[in-house]
Amino acid sequence: SAVISQKPSRDICQRGTSLTIQCQVDSQVTMMFWYRQQPGQSLTLIATANQGSEATYESGFVIDKFPISRPNLTFSTLTVSNMSPEDSSIYLCSAQRGGVNTGELFFGEGSRLTVL
Amino acid sequence: KQEVTQIPAALSVPEGENLVLNCSFTDSAIYNLQWFRQDPGKGLTSLLLIQSSQREQTSGRLNASLDKSSGRSTLYIAASQPGDSATYLCAVGSSNTGKLIFGQGTTLQVKP
Repeated sequence: SAVISQKPSRDICQRGTSLTIQCQVDSQVTMMFWYRQQPGQSLTLIATANQGSEATYESGFVIDKFPISRPNLTFSTLTVSNMSPEDSSIYLCSAQRGGVNTGELFFGEGSRLTVL
Repeated sequence: KQEVTQIPAALSVPEGENLVLNCSFTDSAIYNLQWFRQDPGKGLTSLLLIQSSQREQTSGRLNASLDKSSGRSTLYIAASQPGDSATYLCAVGSSNTGKLIFGQGTTLQVKP
């Protein structure tokens, strides 16, 4: 299995500020993804983090709000910009090992964000 | 559009009981199915991965089955323990989109 480290593990932020979450994988992986889990809900895919190029965003998510970087095969960041209380969620980094349509997905511990 | 449903939403059982969690999906065009465990406030731990060509996978007290034609998967937990208390999520890899679609989860409580 892959070991994924995320930081911060939790944070309390003020409305209007931005926060960058870091994700480090212990070995090279084919794909990296960012998910959001709102309170009491399941996981929603925000975007696929592409190494060396712009991320691919899902419907309802835009680059201006959630800029993502992936400078290499083991590291990615997600920024939550101009935060509002509706952004309070757990943000989860995940990585896929193996083939694009066969690989297993692993998750970090998540970053619990509270926006006041 | 692929939809994943997990029933029941919550389950409470006494310690030692065998139990089955259910996952159904609407589109049989999947490339794999994965079961995860999530403890409160934590990330997801991968339990079992079943490729679309497989029928089941086993790990310790856990057994997961997959029936693509009927759009169903089950997670069987044998001899449940209080430490099994968590939320269990199933996710299907959609062949059409290449994305993993998650169910809402089943929250399991195993009472001592």
